[in-house]
Amino acid sequence: SQQGEEDPQALSIQEGENATMNCSYKTSINNLQWYRQNSGRGLVHLILIRSNEREKHSGRLRVTLDTSKKSSSLLITASRAADTASYFCATGGMEYGNKLVFGAGTILRVKS
Amino acid sequence: KAGVTQTPRYLIKTRGQQVTLSCSPISGHRSVSWYQQTPGQGLQFLFEYFSETQRNKGNFPGRFSGRQFSNSRSEMNVSTLELGDSALYLCASSLEGAGEKLFFGSGTQLSVL
Repeated sequence: SQQGEEDPQALSIQEGENATMNCSYKTSINNLQWYRQNSGRGLVHLILIRSNEREKHSGRLRVTLDTSKKSSSLLITASRAADTASYFCATGGMEYGNKLVFGAGTILRVKS
Repeated sequence: KAGVTQTPRYLIKTRGQQVTLSCSPISGHRSVSWYQQTPGQGLQFLFEYFSETQRNKGNFPGRFSGRQFSNSRSEMNVSTLELGDSALYLCASSLEGAGEKLFFGSGTQLSVL
């Protein structure tokens, strides 16, 4: 079962623009994470935000978490062609046991 | 530190056969999780092993099994392969546990003909 649902399913932008992806989830969480996957390869961890945090930054990435709305957003600023990938949110929480539950992902294409 | 290593990278099998996939986690990581990724179902959790014990299992039939060795290396086995088992199988290791930051291998692409 998928806990998180990403929005939009696909996003196409020009290099230099910002990209925003959203994730909604259903149950309470301990943490929410974002991962990137280049075509047919393994996932790479981007950022983890805990349920008691509201915002986190890492380089050109900014993640926000709103537990009252059960939603998170990932902002990539000044995008580059190399950012072209699929982005997944994943939730970790006691209700799902000791595992991460991944959303369906957002496909981001950055055109140069 | 070496990353998570999965072998083989590609595998082609026929229906009814069985397959074993291998995963070597990052040194010091005792938690190993397995995921199945398909275009239709996305990433689905298979199971997690920690110190040779299965701690959590996803909703997959008994044809899917796994184990972990004392050196934390893990294997997963799929018996009586079906066409629907064609997928990218991803292994991930973690220092803190399967609900925390995961380090993924490149995956094994399994095709069942």
